[in-house]
Amino acid sequence: GDSVTQMEGPVTLSEEAFLTINCTYTATGYPSLFWYVQYPGEGLQLLLKATKADDKGSNKGFEATYRKETTSFHLEKGSVQVSDSAVYFCALSPYSGAGSYQLTFGKGTKLSVIP
Amino acid sequence: DTGVSQDPRHKITKRGQNVTFRCDPISEHNRLYWYRQTLGQGPEFLTYFQNEAQLEKSRLLSDRFSAERPKGSFSTLEIQRTEQGDSAMYLCASSFRADLGGGEKLFFGSGTQLSVL
Repeated sequence: GDSVTQMEGPVTLSEEAFLTINCTYTATGYPSLFWYVQYPGEGLQLLLKATKADDKGSNKGFEATYRKETTSFHLEKGSVQVSDSAVYFCALSPYSGAGSYQLTFGKGTKLSVIP
Repeated sequence: DTGVSQDPRHKITKRGQNVTFRCDPISEHNRLYWYRQTLGQGPEFLTYFQNEAQLEKSRLLSDRFSAERPKGSFSTLEIQRTEQGDSAMYLCASSFRADLGGGEKLFFGSGTQLSVL
C-alpha cells in the first residue's frame, strides 16, 4: 500500500537557519503530494501541495519539489522564524480518477525554532 | 468561513461505554472525512462521505465504529463498547471538491481527544 516516510524529529533550529525536512513516499500511479502543518493547539492546515512530477509547491517561504525519480518531496525554507515552530506532516493522496482522495500521512516532524 | 468545528474537544470515558463525537464542516463543503491520530503518529484515514453517502471505510473502522452524515451536513462518529486502544485524537476534515488533477485541499478541525480508562 501507499506509505510516507519523513525524517524523525524533533528538529531544533536557531532563528534564520535553513530548514530541510526530508520526505519520501511509496505509491502506485501518480499521487498528489502535500505538506500539512499543525501549530500548537490548532488543527492541521495545508501548507503547500504539488500534483505532478517536477511541480514546486510554495507558501509562506516554504518550498517543496515533487521528484518522481527519487520519490521525494522535501520541505525547505531559507530562513526560519520562531513562528514556524510546529509539527509538519508530509502526505500523499492517490489519484484514482474515481473520487478517492484519502490522505496517507507521515508520522510528523516537530520543529522548534529558538530566538 | 467559520472553519470545521468538533465537539467535544475532550472526552474521558470508561472502557465498555459508548461515545459519540460531532463534526460540523464548513457549510458549502460536500465532502467530509474522519481521521484518527495517535501520539507520535500521523493521522490515519477512517471514513469519507460525499454529501450524505458514506463512500469509503478503512479496515481500521471496526464494527464498533459507525459514522453518519444525515442530510449531508454535520456528521457523527460513534464508538460502541470502547476499548483502551480507542484512545486517540479523532479528526474531522471537509472539502468542497477535488481539482481535476487531484490535490484536494482538506480543512481540518481541532479534533476530539478521547481517553478510555
